[in-house]
Amino acid sequence: QKEVEQDPGPLSVPEGAIVSLNCTYSNSAFQYFMWYRQYSRKGPELLMYTYSSGNKEDGRFTAQVDKSSKYISLFIRDSQPSDSATYLCAMSFTGNQFYFGTGTSLTVIP
Amino acid sequence: NAGVTQTPKFQVLKTGQSMTLQCAQDMNHNSMYWYRQDPGMGLRLIYYSASEGTTDKGEVPNGYNVSRLNKREFSLRLESAAPSQTSVYFCASSEKGTATEAFFGQGTRLTVV
Repeated sequence: QKEVEQDPGPLSVPEGAIVSLNCTYSNSAFQYFMWYRQYSRKGPELLMYTYSSGNKEDGRFTAQVDKSSKYISLFIRDSQPSDSATYLCAMSFTGNQFYFGTGTSLTVIP
Repeated sequence: NAGVTQTPKFQVLKTGQSMTLQCAQDMNHNSMYWYRQDPGMGLRLIYYSASEGTTDKGEVPNGYNVSRLNKREFSLRLESAAPSQTSVYFCASSEKGTATEAFFGQGTRLTVV
């Protein structure tokens, strides 16, 4: 069983829709949770970072961590064509080794 | 401000050839990482260096060696390339030892034929 599971999609939504991206994990010792966005042929860039449980909001993006269910989510409100990318979840015990999901490909249609 | 710079961007090798992927960061970060990204596999950690002078194996270290040359530079060497090492390689760095915010380079696309 992989440490981190992420539905690869692809996910296609109309502009303005609310997007929900999710990851599940198996190891309850994970403490750090991140979401990265990766445009085609580019390196991943950090979107959101959360330590332990709870919610974090940054503009149109909200990250949620539910440690009891071993489930993390990223919500994108008022989605834009520029949000079209692959979204990677990542998590870590100590912060020195990250475990990444395989990524979900998102297309926002104008 | 360049961030994390990787060279080369593209490379084709023949099986058995060796090469070194270079990575440099100008953010004065302590920790640096090498990942490979393959379709359906996500990003997998090859090696990391928590601070200058230290290196540790990650999830998939076999067939690779690394050198933390100084605080800025972290290189990845393939001594005898194999087709299974065809991948996109990413270098990353982070400010804190806890690596909570890693910054990635643009990647090196390596093909081994």
